[in-house]
Amino acid sequence: SQQGEEDPQALSIQEGENATMNCSYKTSINNLQWYRQNSGRGLVHLILIRSNEREKHSGRLRVTLDTSKKSSSLLITASRAADTASYFCATDQDTGRRALTFGSGTRLQVQP
Amino acid sequence: SAVISQKPSRDICQRGTSLTIQCQVDSQVTMMFWYRQQPGQSLTLIATANQGSEATYESGFVIDKFPISRPNLTFSTLTVSNMSPEDSSIYLCSGTGSSGNTIYFGEGSWLTVV
Repeated sequence: SQQGEEDPQALSIQEGENATMNCSYKTSINNLQWYRQNSGRGLVHLILIRSNEREKHSGRLRVTLDTSKKSSSLLITASRAADTASYFCATDQDTGRRALTFGSGTRLQVQP
Repeated sequence: SAVISQKPSRDICQRGTSLTIQCQVDSQVTMMFWYRQQPGQSLTLIATANQGSEATYESGFVIDKFPISRPNLTFSTLTVSNMSPEDSSIYLCSGTGSSGNTIYFGEGSWLTVV
């Protein structure tokens, strides 16, 4: 079963604008990871943030984590048409199982 | 980072047949998992592939329908048995190494059952 929800479900922006996606989850976690999926393809790992971290940057990506609210956000700055994809958050729950539980995903469309 | 290869990448299958998907990792991983992604949906964990023993299945998935093998640390197979159109999905293999928490995914196997 899915750990939580992402919003928005779909987002359409113009090239150069910033895109923000939010993720909520339900249980305690070890870490939270963000992935990108181009249409019908595998998942590309973007960034991992540990439960004791609050913010992390990687290139044009900025991820925040608020464990008190059980939420995370992914910000893509200066978006490009090539950023068009589905984005998923996934949590490594604090159960020792190590498998990821995925959110519902956000479909991002960046218009050139 | 681990590179995970799956095959087939895509297949069209007849109703009632079975198909085995292979997953090869280029380095040793401690844990391997199989996920299903139905059209337009997110990923759902099918099972954890355990080396040399029976896989650990999630609620809603059973061994008779999705038999899994993992004979060594770098290879696993998932069989989708007695397929129906509802099994049309992308099936993804994933793995994580002992040194980190990142979980890597293969490109997925896109099955269409007709």
